[in-house]
Amino acid sequence: DTAVSQTPKYLVTQMGNDKSIKCEQNLGHDTMYWYKQDSKKFLKIMFSYNNKELIINETVPNRFSPKSPDKAHLNLHINSLELGDSAVYFCASSQKGGDSYNEQFFGPGTRLTVL
Amino acid sequence: AQSVTQLDSQVPVFEEAPVELRCNYSSSVSVYLFWYVQYPNQGLQLLLKYLSGSTLVKGINGFEAEFNKSQTSFHLRKPSVHISDTAEYFCAVSDFLYGTSYGKLTFGQGTILTVHP
Repeated sequence: DTAVSQTPKYLVTQMGNDKSIKCEQNLGHDTMYWYKQDSKKFLKIMFSYNNKELIINETVPNRFSPKSPDKAHLNLHINSLELGDSAVYFCASSQKGGDSYNEQFFGPGTRLTVL
Repeated sequence: AQSVTQLDSQVPVFEEAPVELRCNYSSSVSVYLFWYVQYPNQGLQLLLKYLSGSTLVKGINGFEAEFNKSQTSFHLRKPSVHISDTAEYFCAVSDFLYGTSYGKLTFGQGTILTVHP
């Protein structure tokens, strides 16, 4: 059983197109995240949702729009794709605690290539 | 704001040798510390974490790490590596504000561990 799944695994598209990446978790967690891993393997958080509410929004171009229809899903829509958007995008989930930290579980990643 | 520095981008080592991957962090608030491993073309898997208590934490696959608050370090060690340990390793910190936990992970640049036969 896959805990955090992402679709598609690979995405190749032309500059200027609009694309979406989907993420689903079956762990019952209430918090989900999107991370971007660039070509140098540097990982950086983009967004986080808790109970469908945006709680972390790093400096990301507004061409990127996350959408959380429910606690188990967090999708990432990207408008007007640019070459620099090529990266691996990871989804993660956790259960937001009170005073304690809860482990983030990562999906397998979506490799986006913009031509 | 917090940051993480992994001091070695690549560490080659022979099988059965010991290894240490170095990680230093900076933060103005209390943090939690983590090591993740990424095998080729796969997602990230948690190796171990330091939340509180004993400064020596043990993780999966025989790895351990020691939290040193005075040196703001969290180095990862394994006494004897295997070929299968070849992967990229990421050190990360998470901010922790008392009463809330935002869980935002800040990662280091990664260290590629290559184990040679």
